Amino acid sequence: GEDVEQSLFLSVREGDSSVINCTYTDSSSTYLYWYKQEPGAGLQLLTYIFSNMDMKQDQRLTVLLNKKDKHLSLRIADTQTGDSAIYFCAEIRMDSSYKLIFGSGTRLLVRP
Amino acid sequence: DVKVTQSSRYLVKRTGEKVFLECVQDMDHENMFWYRQDPGLGLRLIYFSYDVKMKEKGDIPEGYSVSREKKERFSLILESASTNQTSMYLCASSRPRGPQHFGDGTRLSIL
Repeated sequence: GEDVEQSLFLSVREGDSSVINCTYTDSSSTYLYWYKQEPGAGLQLLTYIFSNMDMKQDQRLTVLLNKKDKHLSLRIADTQTGDSAIYFCAEIRMDSSYKLIFGSGTRLLVRP
Repeated sequence: DVKVTQSSRYLVKRTGEKVFLECVQDMDHENMFWYRQDPGLGLRLIYFSYDVKMKEKGDIPEGYSVSREKKERFSLILESASTNQTSMYLCASSRPRGPQHFGDGTRLSIL
């Protein structure tokens, strides 16, 4: 199938680390993306990883990719209240359309 | 920075009206996309375009059409608006095989 799956909800305390998980289906995907959506806004591209990488770090964000299990995770270190949002993972279809297939999103709530 | 601008943040229209949603990008991107986002259904692709005057149906094209007369502009048209088209509409643009960059969205209500 085409599903990209994510857990629906995550709650963490301010200052802790958050880990948002995602599984995807297309083993030929070359790029995998993480987007952030704040209330009432569009999607903001946070980071992405190329499929020949295992890990990518960008300031407080760490992306881990397990190609064998088709598992992607986003770790946010020192989570802040401003990180509260919905996080979407997405894979790019490597057929002629190059469509993005999005997960349903994980709502992250950061408690003070 | 990539800028994708949607003409309206909020729009209220009546059933049966013809509605135009406009989207402009300033990065000379070849690809442009229209999605709708509904609670519990995630993002669903309505139409996309690879080039000027080119269009492809997405997953839910019924009740919609699009126009791409210039590279920077991609319009979504609701031919005869219905209440089930009340939704958040998101426009995006990208280079071929590149990440998609989104506008802020248009929240459309059909009364």
